[in-house]
This record gives sequence, C-alpha cells and structure tokens, in this order.
Amino acid sequence: KAGVTQTPRYLIKTRGQQVTLSCSPISGHRSVSWYQQTPGQGLQFLFEYFSETQRNKGNFPGRFSGRQFSNSRSEMNVSTLELGDSALYLCASSVEGRPREPQHFGDGTRLSIL
Amino acid sequence: SQKIEQNSEALNIQEGKTATLTCNYTNYSPAYLQWYRQDPGRGPVFLLLIRENEKEKRKERLKVTFDTTLKQSLFHITASQPADSATYLCALDVWSNFGNEKLTFGTGTRLTIIP
Repeated sequence: KAGVTQTPRYLIKTRGQQVTLSCSPISGHRSVSWYQQTPGQGLQFLFEYFSETQRNKGNFPGRFSGRQFSNSRSEMNVSTLELGDSALYLCASSVEGRPREPQHFGDGTRLSIL
Repeated sequence: SQKIEQNSEALNIQEGKTATLTCNYTNYSPAYLQWYRQDPGRGPVFLLLIRENEKEKRKERLKVTFDTTLKQSLFHITASQPADSATYLCALDVWSNFGNEKLTFGTGTRLTIIP
C-alpha cells in the first residue's frame, strides 16, 4: 500500500500571501488530521476531517482552514501568511481517526515565510 | 493546566545499553498512549500503543510501560544501536472542545546512540 503523500515538500512564501497544502491518505483511510510542527511548540494539532466533515479542531486562528474530498484527499489552506507560520506541516491518516489506532504520517510540507 | 512532558530534550546513550525515555502527563486520564519515532525531515512513524489496562507492551527490542497512578509511561530500547538515534514522541488521547478525542503529542526526546 502506498503511504501518505504530501505535496509540495517545500514551499517559500511571503507575508500576506496564502497557501494550499495537499494530503493523499492511505487507501481506505477516511480520517485525515493536520499538524503543525515547530522547534518551540512541537507537534500541534490543527484539525481532523472524517468523511468530508471537520470532526475536531485545535487552537489555531481562522486563517487556518481545511477540507476533505469524497476520495478522502485533504487540503489545508493558510491565508494572510505570517512569519510565525513557518513550520513543518504534517498530515496523518487512519481508518477511523480513533486514539486506539496508529496514525500514519506523511513526510510533511516545509513552509518558509519570508 | 494540562501538560505532557518528556524527559530531557536530548539523551545520549552508549551503544549496547538500554535507553529509557519518560513521558509524564498531568490533568489527563488517557485510555491510550502511543509512541512514535521521528527522523530528521521525515514524519513520525508509529511504534507502539498501550491501553490504560495494560501495564506493559513489547515489540522486539522495544518495551513500553504505562502507570496510570504515576501518570507516566516509560519507553525502553534494549541493546541500543546507532540506528536507533532519532526523536521519540509520546502521544495520548484527550477530550477536545468538540466533544471527541484527539491525539496530543509530547515535545519529544532526541535520542543519540553513541558507538
């Protein structure tokens, strides 16, 4: 089975721009979660989508949004980029998105804001 | 406040020895606790999951314990090898404001096995 695929791997943007990141989960997985990872804050939960519905959300501003398509692929959008948004953005998939299941991570998108 | 703390940001262990990593949590009552390994520039990889009613779980050279009274999990790597060098993350399930559970991660411990 192919793993979780995230595109692009690297992205450079400037302040005020917006960005869209993509995540293709493992086939058969209906839950996709997004995380932001920075050296200072570690791995922070952004949101989770299950069957095209946002089921869970972390403590991030409304500039961070996402969606999930009928094939379970997910996109994450960040608008009005700020310097502090520079981070590794990871997505993870699982069958049902329950804590009793392992999360399968992609290798992330490294976003740099200039 | 709720916290998940992993012992020291970095840990250096001599090859062949047992590495022990600690995950402490406060103000949580998780039903599950997971451990992940993360290599530089890569996403975390799942290693082990332990339930609240399990005291110990093993997988090859890895062992995890879960003490809900102490609110602590220990992660052991026996006969450590340089290839075990990585950052190790613990994660536990917490109830979110949305009324369901989500995984929350600790900040990780960077383990270096010295040949």
